[in-house]
Amino acid sequence: DSGVTQTPKHLITATGQRVTLRCSPRSGDLSVYWYQQSLDQGLQFLIQYYNGEERAKGNILERFSAQQFPDLHSELNLSSLELGDSALYFCASSLTGTKDEKLFFGSGTQLSVL
Amino acid sequence: DQQVKQNSPSLSVQEGRISILNCDYTNSMFDYFLWYKKYPAEGPTFLISISSIKDKNEDGRFTVFLNKSAKHLSLHIVPSQPGDSAVYFCAASGTASKLTFGTGTRLQVTL
Repeated sequence: DSGVTQTPKHLITATGQRVTLRCSPRSGDLSVYWYQQSLDQGLQFLIQYYNGEERAKGNILERFSAQQFPDLHSELNLSSLELGDSALYFCASSLTGTKDEKLFFGSGTQLSVL
Repeated sequence: DQQVKQNSPSLSVQEGRISILNCDYTNSMFDYFLWYKKYPAEGPTFLISISSIKDKNEDGRFTVFLNKSAKHLSLHIVPSQPGDSAVYFCAASGTASKLTFGTGTRLQVTL
């Protein structure tokens, strides 16, 4: 158990809808990362937060947004969903979010857009 | 543009033999490399890492080799065990804190 909790584990929705994925980091970790894994793809970095502030941004679509709350949990919001958004979304956390820190991953949320 | 590449989607090795998983990268700014292991229905877990100032790092049955001139790293597992069957991801970082992952290699260790 990595200590990172993601909910829900599975999500099935329709095109055009909006969903929210939730992540609770390991106790004491201040930084949260979101990654997307599509079929046969590696993990694509979406966004990183540190102590409530955005620290780094990757290939995150404008239809997607995220935030980290004062209690350090994070939410990833996906709107106007398309079929291609179907993927496994991972959250990871680390202590300070600095370079070369190892990340601890949650077990992911499997999103299916029908 | 795939900056970290794992060209072998799968690998099958007999129990007790050596497993060698390969990874190539294109970004010369990468200076820290990691391997993660992923079992089904679980998130990736950290396995071993290496800094660019070293060319080898060993941890028990796992050794990672880095060839900076070739922009290539490999993970050796000796001896391979059935419990090593998983998907292995190579990852790299440079000046930024984010990790860039490869597409993974599925290792199957057979009896």
